[in-house]
Amino acid sequence: GEDVEQSLFLSVREGDSSVINCTYTDSSSTYLYWYKQEPGAGLQLLTYIFSNMDMKQDQRLTVLLNKKDKHLSLRIADTQTGDSAIYFCAESMAGGYNKLIFGAGTRLAVHP
Amino acid sequence: GAVVSQHPSWVICKSGTSVKIECRSLDFQATTMFWYRQFPKQSLMLMATSNEGSKATYEQGVEKDKFLINHASLTLSTLTVTSAHPEDSSFYICSAHRGGQGNQPQHFGDGTRLSIL
Repeated sequence: GEDVEQSLFLSVREGDSSVINCTYTDSSSTYLYWYKQEPGAGLQLLTYIFSNMDMKQDQRLTVLLNKKDKHLSLRIADTQTGDSAIYFCAESMAGGYNKLIFGAGTRLAVHP
Repeated sequence: GAVVSQHPSWVICKSGTSVKIECRSLDFQATTMFWYRQFPKQSLMLMATSNEGSKATYEQGVEKDKFLINHASLTLSTLTVTSAHPEDSSFYICSAHRGGQGNQPQHFGDGTRLSIL
């Protein structure tokens, strides 16, 4: 079956790098996404990666995909207080027109 | 680009009332829209997939007569919670997918917080 798992909480010091990890079970997943949710708001797409890629970098964000281990990570460089939010990993079998399977979300707390 | 607007953002109403939530794609045509429900401190649970011009596909355990979905145009889908009760109180979020481009991601609205008294 489809399952996505994330650690629930991460605390980092401002200026450090944050690494949020995610594992998924379905090897047929083709797209993997990272979304950010601030309190009381919807989801903001941060980045996504296709399953034939190993890495994608976008400014402070780096996504690493280990397809063999079904492991996805999101690294945020120079973490700021504004990065404090819940980060959701999600997978899709066939792109954005298909349903997303979400992890439980990782709450990132950034402290001075 | 890829802006999704959801309205209203917050609703408080009495038990037994029906509530309609709108989801609009503002700058693109969305052939597929999705409705999710999120309980406090939990992840998103897909309720249904809505395709323009056809009936919605509901996930297992979601009552289609309770949660009416209409996707009448390429830019608008509505979710109506009929005869709402306190257990329907939740955060409802919609997302939209730009038609014709399978590798494009879903874009989410800001959600609607529904509180039933």
